[in-house]
Amino acid sequence: ETGVTQSPTHLIKTRGQQVTLRCSSQSGHNTVSWYQQALGQGPQFIFQYYREEENGRGNFPPRFSGLQFPNYSSELNVNALELDDSALYLCASSTTGFYTEAFFGQGTRLTVV
Amino acid sequence: GESVGLHLPTLSVQEGDNSIINCAYSNSASDYFIWYKQESGKGPQFIIDIRSNMDKRQGQRVTVLLNKTVKHLSLQIAATQPGDSAVYFCAEFASGNTPLVFGKGTRLSVIA
Repeated sequence: ETGVTQSPTHLIKTRGQQVTLRCSSQSGHNTVSWYQQALGQGPQFIFQYYREEENGRGNFPPRFSGLQFPNYSSELNVNALELDDSALYLCASSTTGFYTEAFFGQGTRLTVV
Repeated sequence: GESVGLHLPTLSVQEGDNSIINCAYSNSASDYFIWYKQESGKGPQFIIDIRSNMDKRQGQRVTVLLNKTVKHLSLQIAATQPGDSAVYFCAEFASGNTPLVFGKGTRLSVIA
């Protein structure tokens, strides 16, 4: 088991609603990345936070936003939910720099109906 | 639990045999690679990594081979066990603060 924990584990929302997912990073890790994993696909990068600043973003619309807190925990917020947002959302923590392992949480399964 | 990958390539292996899972990566600038194992309903679990200045790295029962000329990675699992059944992803990393880019994944099914 990694030290990365995500909450909640499962969530059902209605189209148009907003959702907040949470992630506690592994001790000593200052970088948090969020990924979306659709059924049958590999994880797709959403964005990354380092020391409370977003420092990388994938091909996701602005309604996907995030925060990182001083203790390096993080939130992923998604506004105006769409059916295609249904996926497993993964958080990974790591240290900065080259050749650093990224450790994943167990994910939050979001279903939009 | 949930199914991680419904339409992924599948490798079926007899228990005790060796498994080889292949991955073609896309970015010639990638210089760090990780293999992850993902069981149903769980997040990806780190297995082994390799830097681009190496062509082979061994762990416990696992070996990763890197061929930069053809941009190919493989994961070898010795004496495959039922607990090895999962979806396996390779991920490439191009340095700095760029994100990991994941491949499509291969489902390993171990036949007891």
